[in-house]
Amino acid sequence: SAVISQKPSRDICQRGTSLTIQCQVDSQVTMMFWYRQQPGQSLTLIATANQGSEATYESGFVIDKFPISRPNLTFSTLTVSNMSPEDSSIYLCSVDARDLKNTQYFGPGTRLTVL
Amino acid sequence: GQQVMQIPQYQHVQEGEDFTTYCNSSTTLSNIQWYKQRPGGHPVFLIQLVKSGEVKKQKRLTFQFGEAKKNSSLHITATQTTDVGTYFCAGGTRKTSYDKVIFGPGTSLSVIP
Repeated sequence: SAVISQKPSRDICQRGTSLTIQCQVDSQVTMMFWYRQQPGQSLTLIATANQGSEATYESGFVIDKFPISRPNLTFSTLTVSNMSPEDSSIYLCSVDARDLKNTQYFGPGTRLTVL
Repeated sequence: GQQVMQIPQYQHVQEGEDFTTYCNSSTTLSNIQWYKQRPGGHPVFLIQLVKSGEVKKQKRLTFQFGEAKKNSSLHITATQTTDVGTYFCAGGTRKTSYDKVIFGPGTSLSVIP
C-alpha cells in the first residue's frame, strides 16, 4: 500500500491570492493525479502529472490557473492561482494504479475555502 | 468526452435491507473501480474489476462488471449503519502509460437503524 500525505489539510484564503498544495507519497510512483471535489459533488480530474514533463490538463482546466510541479517520483504540488470563491473545494492527489498493484490511492485532501 | 453515470443519487434503507447502485459508462472501459467515501473523509478504494462479466465479493458486498465492460453494479446485502457513505464508481481507460479514471456522481447511502 501507499501512504499519501497532503499539506495543508485545510486553508481559508482571500480572493485573488494563490495557494500551493503539496502531495507526498511514501514510495516512487510514475503518475500522480490531481482531483477537485466541490461540495456535495463527485471528483473531477484536474490534471495528470508525470515526473520530468509538463502536466496534462483536462478540459476546463488550464496551466495558468492550476500550475503543477512534479520534481521527483514521490512529490507533486498543485497551485490554485488568483482564487475566487468558486475555487472553494477539496483538492485531492492520487497515484496511478499500476504502480501499486492495480489500486488507486488518494491523499486525505486539502479543504480550501476562498472568501 | 467519456461520461460515467450512476443511479440512484440517494438511497435510504432500513438497516438489514439490501442496497444496489448502478454505474454506466458512455464508452467501453478497461476497468471499473469502486470507492467509498464517508462524510468528511476521502475516497477509499474498495475494488477493481477488469474482466468482462467479472463478479467479485467482499463479505456483504458484491461487485459486477458487465459483459460489454460499460456497466457495473455494487450490491450490499443486509446493510449496516457502518455502510453509510457515498459510493463512487470510476471508469478506467488505458492510456499509454497510465489509467485515466473518470468518477461517476456517486450514490449516497443512508441506513436507518
